[in-house]
Amino acid sequence: ETGVTQTPRHLVMGMTNKKSLKCEQHLGHNAMYWYKQSAKKPLELMFVYNFKEQTENNSVPSRFSPECPNSSHLFLHLHTLQPEDSALYLCASSQTSGRTDTQYFGPGTRLTVL
Amino acid sequence: AQSVTQLDSQVPVFEEAPVELRCNYSSSVSVYLFWYVQYPNQGLQLLLKYLSGSTLVKGINGFEAEFNKSQTSFHLRKPSVHISDTAEYFCAVSETGTASKLTFGTGTRLQVTL
Repeated sequence: ETGVTQTPRHLVMGMTNKKSLKCEQHLGHNAMYWYKQSAKKPLELMFVYNFKEQTENNSVPSRFSPECPNSSHLFLHLHTLQPEDSALYLCASSQTSGRTDTQYFGPGTRLTVL
Repeated sequence: AQSVTQLDSQVPVFEEAPVELRCNYSSSVSVYLFWYVQYPNQGLQLLLKYLSGSTLVKGINGFEAEFNKSQTSFHLRKPSVHISDTAEYFCAVSETGTASKLTFGTGTRLQVTL
């Protein structure tokens, strides 16, 4: 397995369900990101982790709870979501070298909240 | 804070014709610039990036972009497109030294037809 992988690729859940999205990077990077991609809107950065520590929380509602147990894995725990949370959730990783850290993206999880 | 404007939401073009996708940015400091491509049901793939040096940047799949500081632009070009280039193209910017914080444009849908 190479690059950035995400599971599941598709997820349908009710508003009262609890589910988790998983991201794994095989690039040896130290930073990982969650983005939300909604139709007709720019990608929205949700969370940033650097060496397992959260360095950015872009005013994301508490019904989204990230977890980064190590530099290779990133989770997004979901609970009591709203229909407007339906979107493509993208994970990315990068190597923060101090000069540039090009981000590499996974294929995304298409989330539908009923 | 920086921002990115992709003026064209859709660009239709015939196969083997040239194409230019426009990107303008706004920032009060030096920036890094990126173009990503997103094929249907996939994540974002890096096409090319400008960090410093030559203002003409060559990327994958025959694409290139030119950084124009005076016009704050980073337009993407390809001299002859193929059907397989049909995809969504995103321009992104980050401030130098804080490359973990990418700001994306709203995307341009390139539709190549015979």
